[in-house]
Amino acid sequence: KQEVTQIPAALSVPEGENLVLNCSFTDSAIYNLQWFRQDPGKGLTSLLLIQSSQREQTSGRLNASLDKSSGRSTLYIAASQPGDSATYLCAAHTGTASKLTFGTGTRLQVTL
Amino acid sequence: EAQVTQNPRYLITVTGKKLTVTCSQNMNHEYMSWYRQDPGLGLRQIYYSMNVEVTDKGDVPEGYKVSRKEKRNFPLILESPSPNQTSLYFCASSANWVDTQYFGPGTRLTVL
Repeated sequence: KQEVTQIPAALSVPEGENLVLNCSFTDSAIYNLQWFRQDPGKGLTSLLLIQSSQREQTSGRLNASLDKSSGRSTLYIAASQPGDSATYLCAAHTGTASKLTFGTGTRLQVTL
Repeated sequence: EAQVTQNPRYLITVTGKKLTVTCSQNMNHEYMSWYRQDPGLGLRQIYYSMNVEVTDKGDVPEGYKVSRKEKRNFPLILESPSPNQTSLYFCASSANWVDTQYFGPGTRLTVL
């Protein structure tokens, strides 16, 4: 059974700092890995999807990497801004049917 | 605007009173899914549907029913709600089962 872990559970950084969020998964037989953002009281917004054959994906200040062999993915946020404050969730897509297994998230606060 | 809508957004009910949470998407997506989100447990899949008339259980299906009679709609039915079904519920859709999932805004359900 796939298990997805995100460490740390919470992170506070000053504005402008570069940061890395970590995601690890136990079953390396994934189809893809997705990163989402969740704002308080809101739904999830997809940030990046990395296919199993890819090593990384970039969107603006965000860069996500995937290392299937070690069961790890990272989300790099460059030049953080207060508007980046949210909970970031990773989810691994495994199995023959759509098994999207989520981590419990990292709550990020970017301070002025 | 491409979106997934859920209704109601908030609901307080009593044990045993049947309820339905509606979900609709306007993106012509084949795949739809329901999740519940609980503190410390993350998002867990309740049911999913690969296409019209095809549904299957996720990780936590007990106490829930779904139907997929039309491509755009995927209602979640609680025949006899219990307090342990108090949670934040999300509907999601994607073009196919491995594609990026788009989430609705969530339904906060309280069962007294």
